Amino acid sequence: GIQVEQSPPDLILQEGANSTLRCNFSDSVNNLQWFHQNPWGQLINLFYIPSGTKQNGRLSATTVATERYSLLYISSSQTTDSGVYFCAAINTGTASKLTFGTGTRLQVTL
Amino acid sequence: ETGVTQSPTHLIKTRGQQVTLRCSSQSGHNTVSWYQQALGQGPQFIFQYYREEENGRGNFPPRFSGLQFPNYSSELNVNALELDDSALYLCASSRPQLSGANVLTFGAGSRLTVL
Repeated sequence: GIQVEQSPPDLILQEGANSTLRCNFSDSVNNLQWFHQNPWGQLINLFYIPSGTKQNGRLSATTVATERYSLLYISSSQTTDSGVYFCAAINTGTASKLTFGTGTRLQVTL
Repeated sequence: ETGVTQSPTHLIKTRGQQVTLRCSSQSGHNTVSWYQQALGQGPQFIFQYYREEENGRGNFPPRFSGLQFPNYSSELNVNALELDDSALYLCASSRPQLSGANVLTFGAGSRLTVL
């Protein structure tokens, strides 16, 4: 099956700083999503982005499908951005079988 | 529109017992999938239900089973609980498109502790 790797595993930022999270995947994808998991465990869908670029407020994401990677940009970080960010992908087969990366744990400090 | 809701939010069981977790899918979604997330790891796919039938399964033993009902809600059943079954169980719903697009929406999860 597809392999998904994320980097960095941990990131500490001061409030107001910018960051880039990376996701590499081993095969072509039909579906790629970025999630933010809050401290209570809720997975919040940030982007559905199998290719191209999207922006939503301070967050944006780019997927370069031909080179098998995706980037999540966080600008002007806030303490509420803290949590774990997951990239997850599906290549073929079962429509809802997302393969998750190991996540990037982000801590934003004052 | 209502999102994905799961119940119970927390529960404690002992080894060998059985547990049933419930999920109501988001309005308009016809496909439900379940994931297990152990502490410190990413979620792992258990199985998917569409039209009340399981049509995709991850690497989980048969003691993990499920149901989908005509209103698209779903249950996850785990028999003969083991200590390693302690985890956050996440339900996701979606409505796969003919184009292949399939955006999964997750519930808040059910946190199971097996003692």
